[in-house]
Amino acid sequence: QKEVEQNSGPLSVPEGAIASLNCTYSDRGSQSFFWYRQYSGKSPELIMFIYSNGDKEDGRFTAQLNKASQYVSLLIRDSQPSDSATYLCAVKAGYGGATNKLIFGTGTLLAVQP
Amino acid sequence: EAGVTQFPSHSVIEKGQTVTLRCDPISGHDNLYWYRRVMGKEIKFLLHFVKESKQDESGMPNNRFLAERTGGTYSTLKVQPAELEDSGVYFCASSPDPGQGASEAFFGQGTRLTVV
Repeated sequence: QKEVEQNSGPLSVPEGAIASLNCTYSDRGSQSFFWYRQYSGKSPELIMFIYSNGDKEDGRFTAQLNKASQYVSLLIRDSQPSDSATYLCAVKAGYGGATNKLIFGTGTLLAVQP
Repeated sequence: EAGVTQFPSHSVIEKGQTVTLRCDPISGHDNLYWYRRVMGKEIKFLLHFVKESKQDESGMPNNRFLAERTGGTYSTLKVQPAELEDSGVYFCASSPDPGQGASEAFFGQGTRLTVV
């Protein structure tokens, strides 16, 4: 079982729709959860982080965390063609320098159709 | 403010040769990380520096890989001798937080290494 799992996609949504990206993780001790967006050939760019159960909203993006189910998701409202990219889910094991590394999923390719 | 900068952006070398990748973190960031993505796989952690000290090198694949961060500024990652399976994109990231909470790691654009 992979430590962080994502559906590789592609996930195709029409412009203006809600895109829903999902991620599960295996380590119950995980404390912090990140969503990165990566355009082809570019660096991963952080869009959201969350570490408390529930929802966290930032503009068109909402991150949702359910630690009991070991599940984190990213919703993108009013999807735009410019949102088309690979979305990477990453998990940090805990606090403290020794566990500061990020564990990534393989990413979900999102394609927003005009 | 300059972001994380990596050199070169692309390197093609023959099996058995040596390659050195360089990362310049954001100024003032104590934490520097190296990650690697091989074709079709997820981005994987290699190691973590706090200033000039190796905090965690659990992801380094073998002793052909050597990372240094002299003076706690830029870092180099040397592969010697390179093997075909070392091909991939090597990312560097830096963050200002010494390790508490959900600190943001800023990534460079990566060095695409191709070993032929």
